[in-house]
Amino acid sequence: AQTVTQSQPEMSVQEAETVTLSCTYDTSESDYYLFWYKQPPSRQMILVIRQEAYKQQNATENRFSVNFQKAAKSFSLKISDSQLGDAAMYFCAYDDYGGSQGNLIFGKGTKLSVKP
Amino acid sequence: EAGVVQSPRYKIIEKKQPVAFWCNPISGHNTLYWYLQNLGQGPELLIRYENEEAVDDSQLPKDRFSAERLKGVDSTLKIQPAELGDSAVYLCASSLSEGSFGPGTRLLVL
Repeated sequence: AQTVTQSQPEMSVQEAETVTLSCTYDTSESDYYLFWYKQPPSRQMILVIRQEAYKQQNATENRFSVNFQKAAKSFSLKISDSQLGDAAMYFCAYDDYGGSQGNLIFGKGTKLSVKP
Repeated sequence: EAGVVQSPRYKIIEKKQPVAFWCNPISGHNTLYWYLQNLGQGPELLIRYENEEAVDDSQLPKDRFSAERLKGVDSTLKIQPAELGDSAVYLCASSLSEGSFGPGTRLLVL
C-alpha cells in the first residue's frame, strides 16, 4: 500500500526567509501524482502545488516550488520569501490518478510557523 | 463559482446521539468525497461517490456510519450512534485535482 511520510511535525521560518518542508512516499507505481496542501486554522484545505510523476520538471507556483526526486521517492516543498499568511499545516499527499478518480493519501502534516 | 458547501460548521452532541452532515459539491462535479480528519492527522477517506454510486466505501465503519447521495448532487453523512472517538473534522471534497475541499464540520461528542 502507498504511504506518505512527513518527518517534520513542526517547522519555523523567519518572515521573508526560505523554508523547505520534507515529504517521502512509498509506491510501486510508475505514474502517479503528488500534492502539497495548506490547511490554515480555518480548516479549509487549499491546494498549493501539484506534480505529475512522469514530468521531470519540478512544479512551481509563484513562491512555492517542489524538489521532486522520483528515484528517492522524495517530494519537498520550498517556500520562498515566507509571509505571515503562510503559517498553517502543510500536508503532502499522493494519488494514483491525479485526483480525478482515486483517493488522496495524506501524510500527518507539518505545522509551519512564520516569525515576524 | 461557489465552492464546496458544508453544514453545519460545528456540532456538539452527547454520545449515543445521531448526527448528520451535509455537503453540496461544486456544480458539475460528479465525484464527491467524504474525509475524516482526526486532530493532528491528515485526512483519511471515508467514502467516494461517482454520481449516485458509492465506488469506494471500504474505509467507512458501516456499523454506525452511513452516507447517501440520492440524486448525484448533494450528500449526507450520518453517524448513529455517535461515540466519543468520532470527535473529529469531517471534510467533503468534489475535485481533488483542483483542491476543492469544503470548510469541514467539526464534531465534538461529549
